[in-house]
Amino acid sequence: DAKTTQPPSMDCAEGRAANLPCNHSTISGNEYVYWYRQIHSQGPQYIIHGLKNNETNEMASLIITEDRKSSTLILPHATLRDTAVYYCIVLWGFSGGYNKLIFGAGTRLAVHP
Amino acid sequence: EAGVTQFPSHSVIEKGQTVTLRCDPISGHDNLYWYRRVMGKEIKFLLHFVKESKQDESGMPNNRFLAERTGGTYSTLKVQPAELEDSGVYFCASSQGRDPLRNEQFFGPGTRLTVL
Repeated sequence: DAKTTQPPSMDCAEGRAANLPCNHSTISGNEYVYWYRQIHSQGPQYIIHGLKNNETNEMASLIITEDRKSSTLILPHATLRDTAVYYCIVLWGFSGGYNKLIFGAGTRLAVHP
Repeated sequence: EAGVTQFPSHSVIEKGQTVTLRCDPISGHDNLYWYRRVMGKEIKFLLHFVKESKQDESGMPNNRFLAERTGGTYSTLKVQPAELEDSGVYFCASSQGRDPLRNEQFFGPGTRLTVL
């Protein structure tokens, strides 16, 4: 699986958009970009994933560059509850359901009033 | 729909004792995963079941750890005998199946294990 690089920490004001970057320059054509987050003392939570098109759901948007070497997770209106560690993970998408998640250090997002 | 549940939420045991952690995946999810985070480290994969079969147990640290999933429903992770370095949070996750568009894993709240 391709490795990812994320900044260790970021701050965001409540109500503003939080833009979390991720580099995955060695991603291959069949690999998806997944985002998870872990709020303190909870299990990791799935946020969103994509292959090459931009994706949006009720939690966030995912913007993947045309060359697929980087992506940005966007929380459009961050709240205090979005304070968490965010993980960008690249997975082979055609593995028959086999998805061993490899967690890095992630980005610790702090949303402040 | 009920999420992934884990029992117990906390366990404190003495070094050398045995502990069994249980995970109930989301109903209908064939894939079940165990992960753990030990103090100060990143979350690490332990093993993966597809129904009752072990698909990948490459992350199991040693033979003191035994995972089972009889009948392809709930799973147990037994640590025997427990050592100090086994302390951490053990997470279970499940996913639906083979569709790459539906492979997101849903995690339980974790079991915090403390070995004294």
